Amino acid sequence: DTEVTQTPKHLVMGMTNKKSLKCEQHMGHRAMYWYKQKAKKPPELMFVYSYEKLSINESVPSRFSPECPNSSLLNLHLHALQPEDSALYLCASSLGQGPLTDTQYFGPGTRLTVL
Amino acid sequence: GQQLNQSPQSMFIQEGEDVSMNCTSSSIFNTWLWYKQDPGEGPVLLIALYKAGELTSNGRLTAQFGITRKDSFLNISASIPSDVGIYFCAGPNAGNNRKLIWGLGTSLGVNP
Repeated sequence: DTEVTQTPKHLVMGMTNKKSLKCEQHMGHRAMYWYKQKAKKPPELMFVYSYEKLSINESVPSRFSPECPNSSLLNLHLHALQPEDSALYLCASSLGQGPLTDTQYFGPGTRLTVL
Repeated sequence: GQQLNQSPQSMFIQEGEDVSMNCTSSSIFNTWLWYKQDPGEGPVLLIALYKAGELTSNGRLTAQFGITRKDSFLNISASIPSDVGIYFCAGPNAGNNRKLIWGLGTSLGVNP
């Protein structure tokens, strides 16, 4: 089973709202990722967690706050977003135990609209 | 830095035709990944290649890891309407395996 799940599927929020995106995998993967994707562009890496610790932050604005409560769950907390943050947010995971085990499997994404 | 050049950018074919797309780079990659993305959905891994010269099939899809490690191609045989989507190639950054370098995608349309 190579399934990564994400909730919600769609989210509309105002610029003053606080919301969270959730991601879950039960494949025993120890690396989890957040990406942002604009239409017709490849995904852009935001954060990487390895063994529940933040290992990569691609200079993402602080209005995006990741959290990895355990090895199966990954959250992205959103606060005071801007309309230009509207995008498809993708979660991915990989086994994370060496170079040949970093093949990433993606979830279906959350379509975020900021009004 | 490392870049992937993916071509063609888009193509529109008749159902039943074969399709070929490729990715090239001036840098060596140790892994090549091919993903397909439908509108509003996440990328789905089609084929992963880990060894230079490797030729791997997945149903009607065939992909090869170039012997120079600087290119890869993906072929789709006997296309069907559900093959419509954007196909991305990707490979791990030489400095950090968890950062993927992405091609810009090939948008495929299939005329029934």
